[in-house]
Amino acid sequence: QKEVEQNSGPLSVPEGAIASLNCTYSDRGSQSFFWYRQYSGKSPELIMFIYSNGDKEDGRFTAQLNKASQYVSLLIRDSQPSDSATYLCAVTDKLIFGTGTRLQVFP
Amino acid sequence: DTGVSQDPRHKITKRGQNVTFRCDPISEHNRLYWYRQTLGQGPEFLTYFQNEAQLEKSRLLSDRFSAERPKGSFSTLEIQRTEQGDSAMYLCASNRKPEAFFGQGTRLTVV
Repeated sequence: QKEVEQNSGPLSVPEGAIASLNCTYSDRGSQSFFWYRQYSGKSPELIMFIYSNGDKEDGRFTAQLNKASQYVSLLIRDSQPSDSATYLCAVTDKLIFGTGTRLQVFP
Repeated sequence: DTGVSQDPRHKITKRGQNVTFRCDPISEHNRLYWYRQTLGQGPEFLTYFQNEAQLEKSRLLSDRFSAERPKGSFSTLEIQRTEQGDSAMYLCASNRKPEAFFGQGTRLTVV
């Protein structure tokens, strides 16, 4: 079992829709969770981090964490074509990444 | 410009040669990470440092890989006796909690 698992996609959503990206992790002791965005040919950049169970909102982005289910998700509201990228889930201070989910937002 | 600098940006080497990459983190960042990334995959953890101390090295990493961070400043990643499977992008990141900033990476091609 991989430490961090994501559906590789692509996830295709129309402009203006909500994109939902999911991630599961294996280490129950994990305390910190991160979502990074990576455009093609570029390095990853941090979108959000979450440490506590529940929801955390930042603009159009909401991170959701459920430690009991070992599940973290990212919702992107009002998706824009510029959101098209690979979204990487990372876990723990060691930053263990999943394979990433490729998101495509079409006009 | 994230402030993390990696050198060289590209490296082509023959199989069996040794290569060394350098990473200069953002100056006040005490944690530094190395990753390897291939097409369609997420960054694969290699190792990380807290100041000059190497905290962990991936079990997946063979003994051909070694990393150092003397004096807790810049870091080097060396790959000995390179193999074609080592061809990848090597990413360095430095951390001021909670955000890790990535460099532009070094693309290694082993021919």
